[in-house]
Amino acid sequence: AQTVTQSQPEMSVQEAETVTLSCTYDTSENNYYLFWYKQPPSRQMILVIRQEAYKQQNATENRFSVNFQKAAKSFSLKISDSQLGDTAMYFCAFTGTNAGKSTFGDGTTLTVKP
Amino acid sequence: DTEVTQTPKHLVMGMTNKKSLKCEQHMGHRAMYWYKQKAKKPPELMFVYSYEKLSINESVPSRFSPECPNSSLLNLHLHALQPEDSALYLCASSQSRGVKNIQYFGAGTRLSVL
Repeated sequence: AQTVTQSQPEMSVQEAETVTLSCTYDTSENNYYLFWYKQPPSRQMILVIRQEAYKQQNATENRFSVNFQKAAKSFSLKISDSQLGDTAMYFCAFTGTNAGKSTFGDGTTLTVKP
Repeated sequence: DTEVTQTPKHLVMGMTNKKSLKCEQHMGHRAMYWYKQKAKKPPELMFVYSYEKLSINESVPSRFSPECPNSSLLNLHLHALQPEDSALYLCASSQSRGVKNIQYFGAGTRLSVL
């Protein structure tokens, strides 16, 4: 069975600065995807970014990028130029070959301060 | 349209009531999910439907009964719930159960059991 660990329950960052959220996972599978989902207060969860395990190049979506270290089983999320709207709970998730069943980390609550 | 619509948004019910939660998507997705989420915790998978067939049941108590009448609709029937069942119930859909698929979440139904 796979596990996903987010070691930072809460973080804060000043508006316009950069913050990195950490995620580590454990699996014996070779074919898998990793995801970061964002859940703003009282709003629905949405995908931030996705990474395929076979791709060495780190995924990037505008201000969001990942540092994927496959050997270390690490998948951190970097948010550049933080905005107030980035305030949310962020979940790291793993989906392996047992498709349709994602394993979520416990989440990191990020607060962006003005 | 990347929307998953859940109704009702809020529900208060007694332990002897019968109620249903509804979820709808029109993205042509063939996999649909029910999750239970407690405050400040990750979503916990309850059920997965793939092509309108129940494919995963995470040992959920029988007082929760899922139904998938067609590819766009997912219901969760509730009966004789307990106060500890109070939570946010999230519906999600994805194109299929494939490992790479992004899940699209609804805003959830906040359930209170008195």
